[in-house]
Amino acid sequence: GAGVSQSPRYKVAKRGQDVALRCDPISGHVSLFWYQQALGQGPEFLTYFQNEAQLDKSGLPSDRFFAERPEGSVSTLKIQRTQQEDSAVYLCASSSVGVWNSPLHFGNGTRLTVT
Amino acid sequence: AQTVTQSQPEMSVQEAETVTLSCTYDTSENNYYLFWYKQPPSRQMILVIRQEAYKQQNATENRFSVNFQKAAKSFSLKISDSQLGDTAMYFCAFMRSNSGYALNFGKGTSLLVTP
Repeated sequence: GAGVSQSPRYKVAKRGQDVALRCDPISGHVSLFWYQQALGQGPEFLTYFQNEAQLDKSGLPSDRFFAERPEGSVSTLKIQRTQQEDSAVYLCASSSVGVWNSPLHFGNGTRLTVT
Repeated sequence: AQTVTQSQPEMSVQEAETVTLSCTYDTSENNYYLFWYKQPPSRQMILVIRQEAYKQQNATENRFSVNFQKAAKSFSLKISDSQLGDTAMYFCAFMRSNSGYALNFGKGTSLLVTP
């Protein structure tokens, strides 16, 4: 596609449910990032992939958060046993090489609401 | 850890006027990168302008320019000839040169351009 695609655009989950958020990066983009944006805040880094390798997961807030990119293209962010504090917009971004040489392209995000 | 501070939660400017958004950051690094991103209601983050810390010349992109003061750790964004389509959240972001990827964002400034 022409840009980074994320689905679903909105997700409502009851506390304790598991959710899976999908990101389709721009074709050929090596680098993929997940950010979490709470209401009224700037995005916070969660994790980074280079191809299928997860090189940095230091931003994942707990072991309930898990991300994968098994074939180096589509990525899934999974949140187990959701809590209310997980409510946020989850942004995916991709770039072809390093972030400086190739600016990040962001998707429209998935807004997760945990009730 | 690097912190990015945007001290203006909200700003307003009349169409065709000029507005300056403030950003300060804290780092012990000597080389790094700075960015301004725009986030309209669609939630997609769009790169506005970027600056390499070792370059003294301020970056410009059409109506957008920055005032980079390295000693003061200040990186303000000036928007000239403001247009209604400039209405959005604006985020300042910092990236360490040796990390290559993770952006630290400020909390953002909501800019409203009025007719």
